[in-house]
Amino acid sequence: NAGVTQTPKFQVLKTGQSMTLQCAQDMNHNSMYWYRQDPGMGLRLIYYSASEGTTDKGEVPNGYNVSRLNKREFSLRLESAAPSQTSVYFCASSGLVYEQYFGPGTRLTVT
Amino acid sequence: AQSVTQLGSHVSVSEGALVLLRCNYSSSVPPYLFWYVQYPNQGLQLLLKYTSAATLVKGINGFEAEFKKSETSFHLTKPSAHMSDAAEYFCAVSFTGTASKLTFGTGTRLQVTL
Repeated sequence: NAGVTQTPKFQVLKTGQSMTLQCAQDMNHNSMYWYRQDPGMGLRLIYYSASEGTTDKGEVPNGYNVSRLNKREFSLRLESAAPSQTSVYFCASSGLVYEQYFGPGTRLTVT
Repeated sequence: AQSVTQLGSHVSVSEGALVLLRCNYSSSVPPYLFWYVQYPNQGLQLLLKYTSAATLVKGINGFEAEFKKSETSFHLTKPSAHMSDAAEYFCAVSFTGTASKLTFGTGTRLQVTL
């Protein structure tokens, strides 16, 4: 039982490049989330998916897109990376009891 | 709108001393409240949660928190700090009907000194 897994762990992009962050969970959870963590700002919700087939914007969605591929997988795409998107990205999932389980994170640097 | 405030971005305590990390929330409906811990270069791990049962909640690693509705607070405490408690701690709030969305505080970094 791996919980929530994320790939890659680290990534360096040049401004304007695109990439997809992958997330998968094996807990049969309905809801999945993408956050970014920046110093002094806590975690901010980018997008979430309440159930398979649905996605909604969070607090900071600009510059990102998501895909809920199936119940297990939820990917985050940066179409044209900007230095302001340098951050640590966390994926999380939750079932029926509101607590969320987090992946280990992806550290992204955009130069 | 709901919000979470953590007072003190950095807290330093001596090993063996009381740990008190403060969290206040604003809400017009009963919330669910959580404390998460983040060790360096890791993801967030759930410490404890309040979901409208007992107001005093016990979590892992000897931590506990008390929900005080009159004060809109959910402060985290531990009677005796250990060096391994050094980490960043996040308070978070969720509300029913919001697809379990969490609103996080900005975090408190706990330093434990000898």
